[in-house]
Amino acid sequence: EVLLVESGGGLVQPGGSLRLSCAASGFTFSSYWMHWVRQAPGKGLVWVSHIKSDDSSTSYADSVQGRFTMSRDNAKNTLYLQMNSLRAEDTAVYYCARGRYCDSGSCHFDIWGQGTMVTVSS
Amino acid sequence: DIQMTQSPSSLSASVGDRVTITCRASQSISNFLNWYQQKPGKAPKLLIYAAFSLQSGVPSRFSGSGSGTDFTLTISSLQPEDCATYYCQQSYSTPPIAFGQGTRLEIK
Repeated sequence: EVLLVESGGGLVQPGGSLRLSCAASGFTFSSYWMHWVRQAPGKGLVWVSHIKSDDSSTSYADSVQGRFTMSRDNAKNTLYLQMNSLRAEDTAVYYCARGRYCDSGSCHFDIWGQGTMVTVSS
Repeated sequence: DIQMTQSPSSLSASVGDRVTITCRASQSISNFLNWYQQKPGKAPKLLIYAAFSLQSGVPSRFSGSGSGTDFTLTISSLQPEDCATYYCQQSYSTPPIAFGQGTRLEIK
């Protein structure tokens, strides 16, 4: 079964840090671009970042650029999101998602994790 | 950055109705448009990719059309389990990947 399982969410104070993980199984993890997408309570989906299949390049939304770092360990089939200098507006459910055809332009997310909640509050 | 605008923001329809949701891009995105369904408390699910390709396992009552700036998601005969929020997403000019604001579909 193709599966993505996020972990690492929780309550953190403003200015704090958190590291999310996403464990992949059931597919060749190293062949796919991976993404983080977040959803604030009651709001829509917002793309956060992506990383290429070979870990050669990452990109970020302007709202997290310089504060968040995405990485992957293809040997462990695991994706990470290091979140620093957290703000109240970062409060959201964070989903990892597998991207298909992302190197050809028609990038879509065919597999999603269940999400992990991050709450930034004092 | 490309902006995606969905309409309507919400709608209510009866079982068996034909339902149409539209998505407009702020500039041409060719056919690089995808549609997702999200039920409360669940992760999004891919329905349509590349404007009109049906994702494996998705019922054939779902279809997509359009190119350039205007796109449509159609449910040919609404079923109770289709109650959800629907999002479009462009991948033509990235980063950033942009989603529409969502359309909430309720069953009368």
